[in-house]
Amino acid sequence: SQQGEEDPQALSIQEGENATMNCSYKTSINNLQWYRQNSGRGLVHLILIRSNEREKHSGRLRVTLDTSKKSSSLLITASRAADTASYFCATDRGAGSYQLTFGKGTKLSVIP
Amino acid sequence: NAGVTQTPKFQVLKTGQSMTLQCAQDMNHEYMSWYRQDPGMGLRLIHYSVGAGITDQGEVPNGYNVSRSTTEDFPLRLLSAAPSQTSVYFCASSYSRTGGYGYTFGSGTRLTVV
Repeated sequence: SQQGEEDPQALSIQEGENATMNCSYKTSINNLQWYRQNSGRGLVHLILIRSNEREKHSGRLRVTLDTSKKSSSLLITASRAADTASYFCATDRGAGSYQLTFGKGTKLSVIP
Repeated sequence: NAGVTQTPKFQVLKTGQSMTLQCAQDMNHEYMSWYRQDPGMGLRLIHYSVGAGITDQGEVPNGYNVSRSTTEDFPLRLLSAAPSQTSVYFCASSYSRTGGYGYTFGSGTRLTVV
């Protein structure tokens, strides 16, 4: 069953604009992670935010987490054509669940 | 280069055939897992392992077997291939069996069952 659900399913923006993707989940989590997948490739880990953190930055990426609303957002600032990819959130429930549960992803297209 | 290596990259099977998808990692990661990715379905966990000799089922285990005799290798066996197993398969590993770390993914095996 899907734990995380990304919104929107698809997003198209111009190069230089900011891109925001959202993720909602259903159960309590230990941490939430974001991954990028370029077409035909494997997933690449971008950033992990723990349940006791509210915001985290990595380069042009900013992730927020609101555990009361069970939601997270990924902001990519000053987007580039190379950011074109699918982005997935994944939740780690911890407590010995040993599983990372992925959403269906947001397909981002950055137009040069 | 450190990472997760999957072989083969592409495979076509006939219904009823069996095969093994190989996965190896050289990062001494405790945790390894197999996912399948289907259009519109995201990634779904098939089987996982928290260490050598320890495996367990994920969300969609039927039709697949795994074993983990070494820390490095985690092969996925299709017992009798069915068209419903046409998918892209990803192997992933993580430093800790207890979670809290990002996963490293292989580049995938694209499997078609005819």
